[in-house]
Amino acid sequence: GENVEQHPSTLSVQEGDSAVIKCTYSDSASNYFPWYKQELGKRPQLIIDIRSNVGEKKDQRIAVTLNKTAKHFSLHITETQPEDSAVYFCAASILGGFQKLVFGTGTRLLVSP
Amino acid sequence: GAVVSQHPSRVICKSGTSVKIECRSLDFQATTMFWYRQFPKQSLMLMATSNEGSKATYEQGVEKDKFLINHASLTLSTLTVTSAHPEDSSFYICSAKITGGAEQPQHFGDGTRLSIL
Repeated sequence: GENVEQHPSTLSVQEGDSAVIKCTYSDSASNYFPWYKQELGKRPQLIIDIRSNVGEKKDQRIAVTLNKTAKHFSLHITETQPEDSAVYFCAASILGGFQKLVFGTGTRLLVSP
Repeated sequence: GAVVSQHPSRVICKSGTSVKIECRSLDFQATTMFWYRQFPKQSLMLMATSNEGSKATYEQGVEKDKFLINHASLTLSTLTVTSAHPEDSSFYICSAKITGGAEQPQHFGDGTRLSIL
């Protein structure tokens, strides 16, 4: 089955810096890669996703890149703000059918003012 | 749109009690719902996939007699933790996928924090 690894486990940056979180997956059939932000005790919130037919997607300060050959994808946050502090999870899935998500281990991002 | 309501948000009960958690899709139909468990500072682990009108599919290592799942309608799935023990204490989160939305993301509920004394 699918296995998703995520690095780093913690990331501390200064406000205004960029943050990059990386994930690798094992199942070459996976074709959908969402990123979730989870604040303490809250639900995971989808912040961006990418499908395998594109290599990059951007939404304001957030971007995701995908390298299907290497089976890795990354989340890039620019101009970080304290409210970006949270735990971020990557996930991999196969679109269609049950769309079972396999989550990475999470990255705790701390943005200091 | 695409709101998932989960109830209750918090449960504290004695060991041996059975606890039922509800997951409702409020403004869409969900043939498929998912139940996850999340221990402190850990990732979300899929427990089972709940399908309306049929038996749930459980992940390896999840006891189906311990975690009963019922998906009786297109908007409601329930998870019952039977004879709960302290090791069952965790954050349980459901998600739902829009029926026919093969390319739509999952929508998560707010989670239920279960504490077994």
